Amino acid sequence: QLHLQESGPGLVRPSENLALTCTVSGGPISNSLYFWAWIRQSPGKGLEWIGSVFHTGSAYYNPSLKDRLTFSIDTSKNQFSVTLSSVTASDTAVYYCARLVDSIMALDSWGRGAQVTVSS
Amino acid sequence: EIVLTQSPGTLSLSPGERATLSCRASQTVNKNFLAWYQQKPGQAPRLLIYGVSSRATDIPDRFSGSGSGTDFTLTIARLEPEDFAVYLCQQYGSAPLTFGGGTKVEIK
Repeated sequence: QLHLQESGPGLVRPSENLALTCTVSGGPISNSLYFWAWIRQSPGKGLEWIGSVFHTGSAYYNPSLKDRLTFSIDTSKNQFSVTLSSVTASDTAVYYCARLVDSIMALDSWGRGAQVTVSS
Repeated sequence: EIVLTQSPGTLSLSPGERATLSCRASQTVNKNFLAWYQQKPGQAPRLLIYGVSSRATDIPDRFSGSGSGTDFTLTIARLEPEDFAVYLCQQYGSAPLTFGGGTKVEIK
């Protein structure tokens, strides 16, 4: 049974960077059948795909966020991470990590989500 | 990007009734990469349907998906109490991956 767990700060100040890590258990993130994704959800914008990373480090970004995003993946720790720079209040959301199945392009396993609030 | 429009916004039904939810795409969804999710309050979305009509693991057969091109439908044949939730469609036939705004199925 795959398990994903997000970790990171609950509160970030405006203009600072938001860094989140997803720890995966129950299967290796080096499996070539999958990408590893970040999605966020806010009341105003609904669900928004942030981007995805492959175990090789290849990353795919939402164009609306691309200039502020950095992805990384650590197969030795079975973790992947995202950094969103220069945050504003509009980045306040619940952030989810999830597994994206390459063959069907659907998200079949999700973490429970991490609430991130941007406020001074 | 492909915009997914879900309707209705809210569906008020009784247990045992049939629910029909619509998801309309602004462009053709390539390779039938259209999925449906169920989300309950305080929980992450759960994959129900992928590839337009294939049920995900452990999803009961009262859930079915259909459609092609730009018009897709999720049908719940007979609503069970645990089915009252928000339902979202998602496409990744074209980048970027996008979600619909959701349909809330509430108890009438």
